[in-house]
Amino acid sequence: EDKVVQSPLSLVVHEGDTVTLNCSYEVTNFRSLLWYKQEKKAPTFLFMLTSSGIEKKSGRLSSILDKKELSSILNITATQTGDSAIYLCAALLTSGGSNYKLTFGKGTLLTVNP
Amino acid sequence: GAVVSQHPSWVICKSGTSVKIECRSLDFQATTMFWYRQFPKQSLMLMATSNEGSKATYEQGVEKDKFLINHASLTLSTLTVTSAHPEDSSFYICSSHQGNIQYFGAGTRLSVL
Repeated sequence: EDKVVQSPLSLVVHEGDTVTLNCSYEVTNFRSLLWYKQEKKAPTFLFMLTSSGIEKKSGRLSSILDKKELSSILNITATQTGDSAIYLCAALLTSGGSNYKLTFGKGTLLTVNP
Repeated sequence: GAVVSQHPSWVICKSGTSVKIECRSLDFQATTMFWYRQFPKQSLMLMATSNEGSKATYEQGVEKDKFLINHASLTLSTLTVTSAHPEDSSFYICSSHQGNIQYFGAGTRLSVL
């Protein structure tokens, strides 16, 4: 059974702190790993990682994939209250021919206090 | 990123009635759309993959007669929750993809009384 595990499940920090969110996966037909941020409604796309060891960066957020360890981390530096959200990790898998699907982890609930 | 529109955002209905949720791709054609369900403090669970012009592919454990999916055009997929019951109350989210990136609708919160 395909599995994506995120840790920690929840995290409370103060503004300005740096956080690292973890994601590991045990799946078949792995293609890429995606990170999403979910506030009150739908998830918004952050990163897609396909190659191991190449860091992707967007402002204060960065992420990297380790295919040997079957894991990825998402770093947020100088956190702000607006970073409070659920961060979802998902493995993109091929599922027959050109079809594919996302398998999500349970998410990490990040709370940034002022 | 691509824009996916979902409607309605919130629906309350009586037990036994059917509810239709629409998912539209606004600036691209979507041959495939995905329907997810999310319970409070849980992750997104894929329910089915909607394919334009053909039958949807349902995940194991999802009742196809309960959750009817229609994908009649390249920009619209619908999910109908038939004879809804309180246990169907949940957050339903659709998505579509451009390349390998899935973009999500804003979700529909269904409350069945």
